[in-house]
Amino acid sequence: DAGITQSPRHKVTETGTPVTLRCHQTENHRYMYWYRQDPGHGLRLIHYSYGVKDTDKGEVSDGYSVSRSKTEDFLLTLESATSSQTSVYFCAGSGGAGYGYTFGSGTRLTVV
Amino acid sequence: DQQVKQNSPSLSVQEGRISILNCDYTNSMFDYFLWYKKYPAEGPTFLISISSIKDKNEDGRFTVFLNKSAKHLSLHIVPSQPGDSAVYFCAASASGNEKLTFGTGTRLTIIP
Repeated sequence: DAGITQSPRHKVTETGTPVTLRCHQTENHRYMYWYRQDPGHGLRLIHYSYGVKDTDKGEVSDGYSVSRSKTEDFLLTLESATSSQTSVYFCAGSGGAGYGYTFGSGTRLTVV
Repeated sequence: DQQVKQNSPSLSVQEGRISILNCDYTNSMFDYFLWYKKYPAEGPTFLISISSIKDKNEDGRFTVFLNKSAKHLSLHIVPSQPGDSAVYFCAASASGNEKLTFGTGTRLTIIP
């Protein structure tokens, strides 16, 4: 499949458990991003990557970590899930400054 | 500190009329602006963009206007169609910076 694929699409998990969300791209984007979407907040950047093994924090990075071992895959890990991390998570890729983003379809995560 | 603001959470417009979505920004370094459209259960998709060297960009029924002195941009949709019902996000970036800062979104409903 072309584009950006996120898995799983839906997940329910318990408070305190670790969770990993996956993002796979077939477009050779150098830059990749993880956003969360919440009512009243729009899209907020969690972490981003500017190359393999090169990552940096966004505005809401606490409680999250990322890894990018190859160009195609960008993983987001919630180290110990909390109810405040219930959200819809979007992965995106881009070719760099001046380019728009291509988004995945999102992962709806519920922490109970 | 919300650097990109969409002050109208929702907007309803009659089919065939003009829809005007507004966006304000505070960071004077922003020089590239984009609009994304999002349907439920899907990721945002790119709609139209504008560089700060222009004050208008048109693509079919969609026109984006940029007023740099007022730090304001708007998206005009003419004529509005039922398929335009979606959430619209405004986004901005600064020169050389690949990260986009998104607004909180406006939910547009087109009334048949």
